[in-house]
Amino acid sequence: EDQVTQSPEALRLQEGESSSLNCSYTVSGLRGLFWYRQDPGKGPEFLFTLYSAGEEKEKERLKATLTKKESFLHITAPKPEDSATYLCAVSVYGGSQGNLIFGKGTKLSVKP
Amino acid sequence: EPEVTQTPSHQVTQMGQEVILRCVPISNHLYFYWYRQILGQKVEFLVSFYNNEISEKSEIFDDQFSVERPDGSNFTLKIRSTKLEDSAMYFCASSVDPGTQYFGPGTRLLVL
Repeated sequence: EDQVTQSPEALRLQEGESSSLNCSYTVSGLRGLFWYRQDPGKGPEFLFTLYSAGEEKEKERLKATLTKKESFLHITAPKPEDSATYLCAVSVYGGSQGNLIFGKGTKLSVKP
Repeated sequence: EPEVTQTPSHQVTQMGQEVILRCVPISNHLYFYWYRQILGQKVEFLVSFYNNEISEKSEIFDDQFSVERPDGSNFTLKIRSTKLEDSAMYFCASSVDPGTQYFGPGTRLLVL
C-alpha cells in the first residue's frame, strides 16, 4: 500500500533557528512529490514539486530535496510568519490521474 | 494570479439533506479533483475528473456522492443524503496535467 509518513508531528523553533522536516514515502512508482503549506482553516498552498532523486527546489527560506525514499524541507532562519502546517503528498503511477496521497503534516511554530 | 475558488465557505445542513459544493477551477486547467479533510486528520482524495468523466474515485466516494461539470467553468460535488460523518472541509483542486495541483480555500461542511 502506498504510504506517506511525516516527522516530526510538531516542531517548535525560535526565530532564526534552522531545521528540517522529513517526509518518507513507500510507493509502487513515484510520479511526483509535492510540498504544501496549510494555514488553519485554509486550503493547501503549493510550495514545490520534485520528480526525481537528487532534485532540489528553493524559495525564499525554504529548500526541498528528494531521495529515493524521502524528502526534506529545510527551513533556514525561519520567521514567525513561517508558522503553519507543512504537508507532503505523492502521486504514483498506475492508472491514476495524479490523485495525491497526503501525509499527516508537520505543524511548525516559530516564536519571536 | 489565477486561483481556484469555492462556494460557499461554510455550509450547515441537517442529516439526510442534499448539499452541493461549488468550485471554479483555474481556467486553462483540465484535471479536477475533490478532497476532504476531517478536523485534525490528513487530507484524503475523493475523486478525479478529466474529459467530462470520473477518472478515479476512492472508497469514500460512494453512491451518495456525485460530481458534475455543468458548464465550462464550474465543477460541483453533490452529497445526496448527508451523514454526520460527512462533516469536514472539502477542497477542490485543479491542474494542467496529472502534476501540480492547486487547491481552493475549501468549504467547511457541518452536518447536524
